[in-house]
Amino acid sequence: NAGVTQTPKFQVLKTGQSMTLQCAQDMNHNSMYWYRQDPGMGLRLIYYSASEGTTDKGEVPNGYNVSRLNKREFSLRLESAAPSQTSVYFCASRPTGQMNTEAFFGQGTRLTVV
Amino acid sequence: GENVEQHPSTLSVQEGDSAVIKCTYSDSASNYFPWYKQELGKGPQLIIDIRSNVGEKKDQRIAVTLNKTAKHFSLHITETQPEDSAVYFCAASGVTYKYIFGTGTRLKVLA
Repeated sequence: NAGVTQTPKFQVLKTGQSMTLQCAQDMNHNSMYWYRQDPGMGLRLIYYSASEGTTDKGEVPNGYNVSRLNKREFSLRLESAAPSQTSVYFCASRPTGQMNTEAFFGQGTRLTVV
Repeated sequence: GENVEQHPSTLSVQEGDSAVIKCTYSDSASNYFPWYKQELGKGPQLIIDIRSNVGEKKDQRIAVTLNKTAKHFSLHITETQPEDSAVYFCAASGVTYKYIFGTGTRLKVLA
């Protein structure tokens, strides 16, 4: 059981380049999330998708776009990368319904923008 | 908007002592409060959680308490061991399905 899979694991971009971070889950979860983790800042929510077909902004959405391609996949796109977007990005998913539940995380993507 | 504050940012304890990490949340509609442990180079993993209809929950050496009136919840680790050294995050979630994390606590257990 793979859980939450993120690709790539590492990436170096030049300022102004674009890229898409991929996330897929095989647990049939409704909700998916993208976070960035910076030293001393914890995990900050970029965007989330409560269910297939919906996406909403989190705490730090500027400079990012997302696509909930289907129930399994939720991608994060940087249209014009900036050094301030250097971070570790985590994707997470969880089942949602009548009760809130645990979120399952991928292993992260370490992105460096030079 | 929703906010979760977490203290302390770093915590050092002697092996065998207890560790307490505290969080405060702002959204009164929050009803689910998980705690995650993150080891180096890995994604966070759930260690314990509590729902708003419960005041305390224990799982072996780990316990979580919730004070809904004060909007506080805390993680208690007893008889700490070197393998407890990690970064710990609290989080809060409610009816909007947003999942907001605290800023993390780096716990060091000294042998």
